[in-house]
Amino acid sequence: GESVGLHLPTLSVQEGDNSIINCAYSNSASDYFIWYKQESGKGPQFIIDIRSNMDKRQGQRVTVLLNKTVKHLSLQIAATQPGDSAVYFCAETNTGGFKTIFGAGTRLFVKA
Amino acid sequence: DSGVTQTPKHLITATGQRVTLRCSPRSGDLSVYWYQQSLDQGLQFLIQYYNGEERAKGNILERFSAQQFPDLHSELNLSSLELGDSALYFCASSPRPPDTQYFGPGTRLTVL
Repeated sequence: GESVGLHLPTLSVQEGDNSIINCAYSNSASDYFIWYKQESGKGPQFIIDIRSNMDKRQGQRVTVLLNKTVKHLSLQIAATQPGDSAVYFCAETNTGGFKTIFGAGTRLFVKA
Repeated sequence: DSGVTQTPKHLITATGQRVTLRCSPRSGDLSVYWYQQSLDQGLQFLIQYYNGEERAKGNILERFSAQQFPDLHSELNLSSLELGDSALYFCASSPRPPDTQYFGPGTRLTVL
């Protein structure tokens, strides 16, 4: 099935450090990618997106990098804060398509 | 607050029963998506509607069905419920695919 992860990868970082969360996407035809943050008991929340004609996009404290050659996405969080602790999902879709595929997710723990 | 509403927030029912989950998309969004999330798992895409028409189907069981009404709200019907159907069910909406999806708070279904 799609996007099922029984054991979420976990990243543990110290408060104030930078975090890098990686994602390998599956469909070379995908041309739109999104990162979502999901806190416990809540719905996923949009963080940042990138289209395939770009390889980098920056937001507030977050940067997404896209490497189409190896079908890899990363999310960089600068100066990680305790409030950043959550599960992070990447998602891929393509223009004209209607199905969005979510990655399995990575759990980020921020140690104070 | 994403602007997507889901009711009810919690639902407890017995095996064999039938339930209906309701979703109201953000104002102006034409597309609605349904996802299932079991404990500590990723988001499993179920089905998507665009302006009242079904546009994409994921791993949706035959016991499950959905529809989008003329006022654009959507309902997900789950029948002959089994213990394994216990999960969080999320609805998301977007102006049109493949735009960013905005997620509701979810309905937590518990089947006893």
